[in-house]
Amino acid sequence: QVQLVQSGAEVKKPGASVRVSCKASGYSFTSYGITWVRQAPGQGLEWMGWISTYNGDTHYPQNLQGRVAMTTDTSTSTAYMELRSLRSDDTAVYYCARGSGIWGFDIWGQGTVVTVSS
Amino acid sequence: DIQLTQSPSFLSASVGDRVTITCRASQGIRSDLAWYQQKPGKAPNLLIYGASTLQRGVPSRFSGSGSGTDFTLTVSSLQPEDFATYYCQQLNSYPYTFGQGTKLEIK
Repeated sequence: QVQLVQSGAEVKKPGASVRVSCKASGYSFTSYGITWVRQAPGQGLEWMGWISTYNGDTHYPQNLQGRVAMTTDTSTSTAYMELRSLRSDDTAVYYCARGSGIWGFDIWGQGTVVTVSS
Repeated sequence: DIQLTQSPSFLSASVGDRVTITCRASQGIRSDLAWYQQKPGKAPNLLIYGASTLQRGVPSRFSGSGSGTDFTLTVSSLQPEDFATYYCQQLNSYPYTFGQGTKLEIK
């Protein structure tokens, strides 16, 4: 079946980096982009960016520019999200989701908990 | 950036009720709007895209309408499994912002 499976929970210290993976299966990986969304405890959804799995083009929001990097490995149908210079307010559940443009994001990973604490 | 404002933020209703959630964009976004449902501890689930197109497998009691700046999500007859938090997202221009969410609770 079509699914996205994310890597496991991470605990990091402030200033460190984290990389979360998202492995796709059950569909043609390069036919859909991947977006990343995070949700801090008790808060709403925050869009973190989008990557084209076809050519690697990326779009990031201004508030994360310079700290976030999204990449893909088409040989393993895996997308990656790296967040650098972690702060306590980066503590959140991080989700990847499949989709491109106006059709929304229809398949989501199970979420990865990232905790930033000294 | 395009801001999305949902109302209400909290909604209390009963099984069988008809409910409507609104989403207002800070500038026109044509029909480039999606709605998601999220239950506690779970990933969001796409309900509607293109403002009014029902995602495959979503019950027909869900419907969406609107274009430009004003959008609505309607549930025609609430079922127990519909009590959740709902988010709109604009897909017109980057960054793809979300509304702040509407929590639908059982009365």
